[in-house]
Amino acid sequence: GAGVSQSPSNKVTEKGKDVELRCDPISGHTALYWYRQSLGQGLEFLIYFQGNSAPDKSGLPSDRFSAERTGGSVSTLTIQRTQQEDSAVYLCASSRGDSYEQYFGPGTRLTVT
Amino acid sequence: QKEVEQNSGPLSVPEGAIASLNCTYSDRVSQSFFWYRQYSGKSPELIMSIYSNGDKEDGRFTAQLNKASQYVSLLIRDSQPSDSATYLCAVNSDYKLSFGAGTTVTVRA
Repeated sequence: GAGVSQSPSNKVTEKGKDVELRCDPISGHTALYWYRQSLGQGLEFLIYFQGNSAPDKSGLPSDRFSAERTGGSVSTLTIQRTQQEDSAVYLCASSRGDSYEQYFGPGTRLTVT
Repeated sequence: QKEVEQNSGPLSVPEGAIASLNCTYSDRVSQSFFWYRQYSGKSPELIMSIYSNGDKEDGRFTAQLNKASQYVSLLIRDSQPSDSATYLCAVNSDYKLSFGAGTTVTVRA
């Protein structure tokens, strides 16, 4: 079946601009996660959605970051007033609600110039 | 102290040899453990899950878990050049996964 999809695959933006990153999870997966992976760094948890529950936003690095999930499926991660330190690969993962096995999408490489 | 620590790499092994990767974790209540493989420029790919103490084998991969020692390992038997990648250990912390920094494996032909 289809895996997690993300768009765009690459995004180059100027400092100060807003960007939106999209994630479409595996069909039937109720849990959705966003991570960030900077060059040479590990995977950093950003936010978690499970069904209709309130999201866990504890990993968001600043209030410039926000995310929403519409209809329990597609999610959008928004970064406002981008900074150079936001440059990273943003990864989305999904899992079944009864499992911790997370499956990752191909990621969006964000470059802030 | 990091939540998940992996043995520092890089690890270079000859083709056909066994690659041994180690991981320790700090959260005693963790119940689910995973190994992901990440090729350069790609996203992590789940290759093994283990939930009970002991060994779990899947093809050339064997995961080992010892909850008392808070230790999980991955063995890659008959290593192939296609196994050259970074391997990430992940441990559940509530519903989230905590990842180690990864161990880069290079298989020499």
